[in-house]
Amino acid sequence: QVQLRESGPGLLKPSQTLSLTCTVSGVSVSGGGYYWSWVRQHPGKGLEWIGFIYFGGRTYYKPSLKGRLTISVDTSKNQFSLKLTSVTAADTAMYYCARGNFMEGQYTLYYGMDVWGQGTTVTVSS
Amino acid sequence: DIVMTQSPLSLPVTPGEPASISCRSSQSLLLTNGYNYLDWYLQKPGQSPQLLFYLGSHRASGVPDRFSGSGSGTDFTLKISRVEADDVGFYYCMQTLQTPFTFGPGTTVEIK
Repeated sequence: QVQLRESGPGLLKPSQTLSLTCTVSGVSVSGGGYYWSWVRQHPGKGLEWIGFIYFGGRTYYKPSLKGRLTISVDTSKNQFSLKLTSVTAADTAMYYCARGNFMEGQYTLYYGMDVWGQGTTVTVSS
Repeated sequence: DIVMTQSPLSLPVTPGEPASISCRSSQSLLLTNGYNYLDWYLQKPGQSPQLLFYLGSHRASGVPDRFSGSGSGTDFTLKISRVEADDVGFYYCMQTLQTPFTFGPGTTVEIK
């Protein structure tokens, strides 16, 4: 059974760096056909796609977070991570990691994010 | 960025009755390969989102067949043929045609 679990600090001060880890079990992060995503949800709001990484290192980020955001994979620990620098109160949210499925060809086909972590709450406050 | 809209934003439903949610995109999600790059997710209260449909109409594993996804181009619909109490929650569409992937604002489905 594939499971994802987020971990990281629940509370940060403005200007600090947020580091979250998603530990994956039941499947290898280096397995083909998967991409590894982060999605966040501000309190009482909808879902916001942050970015994802393919095994091999290709990354896609939400443009408004570019420059502050890094997503990486650690195959030795079967984890992937999110690093967000210079956080502000606007980064206060529930952060979810998720596994996405895809198939490359002439056109990449995305088969949805079918496994999600339980989410981790991040609060940015002085 | 592709802008996603949903209607209604709130949908009171009666168990046993059908329900329908509309999702529209600011540009066509239909690629020349014939696929519509649209997913549907359900977030039940207090839970993580779960995948309902991908590529417009492809039902995810474990999703009951009373749920259906349809549409093409810029107009999509999620239908529930007979609503059950367990279907309450927040329904989101999301486009995967281009990054940044973007979600719709969500539709709250609640029992009348």
